[in-house]
Amino acid sequence: AQSVAQPEDQVNVAEGNPLTVKCTYSVSGNPYLFWYVQYPNRGLQFLLKYITGDNLVKGSYGFEAEFNKSQTSFHLKKPSALVSDSALYFCAVRDDSNYQLIWGAGTKLIIKP
Amino acid sequence: KAGVTQTPRYLIKTRGQQVTLSCSPISGHRSVSWYQQTPGQGLQFLFEYFSETQRNKGNFPGRFSGRQFSNSRSEMNVSTLELGDSALYLCASSLAQRGGRETQYFGPGTRLLVL
Repeated sequence: AQSVAQPEDQVNVAEGNPLTVKCTYSVSGNPYLFWYVQYPNRGLQFLLKYITGDNLVKGSYGFEAEFNKSQTSFHLKKPSALVSDSALYFCAVRDDSNYQLIWGAGTKLIIKP
Repeated sequence: KAGVTQTPRYLIKTRGQQVTLSCSPISGHRSVSWYQQTPGQGLQFLFEYFSETQRNKGNFPGRFSGRQFSNSRSEMNVSTLELGDSALYLCASSLAQRGGRETQYFGPGTRLLVL
């Protein structure tokens, strides 16, 4: 069955430290992977995506993600966290057989000053 | 370029009523997808419209329906509202090039409360 897992409900990081938000996936076809962020009372904002090519993808606001095919993972990273990065982060994968986005449950990221 | 707009932003209805939500995609985008977001179920895909045709549908009852107009604007309708329909309804638009590679751009959502 196709699925996306974000194993951590919440991640706490001190400002200035590196952060990682984890995502693993399982799809039958070629995985197209996405990260979105949601701030309170707002819609989702696109951060980055992996379609093909380099395994390290750079996105908005200094975020990057590493695609690891053998581990079926697509973890979101940032070298130095900001308090303003505090938000809800969603990983999603689209299977190319039906174009439907499958969403992870979301990870709440809290950056403490 | 204007982003995705959704109206209304907030809505309060009572059980048994019906509701219509509207979404205007980014200019030039031909695909509109709808999602339901709740604290318990997370983000769930409702349906996708492309060129006025429903191209994909999630696992929701027939009370949930939608349509798309020739200008790509979309509406979704929920009939016979239930308490469990209380949620944030998100609309997303994309260029919808075949292959599923395109990015979806989301509107701010309509928060529906069913009493």
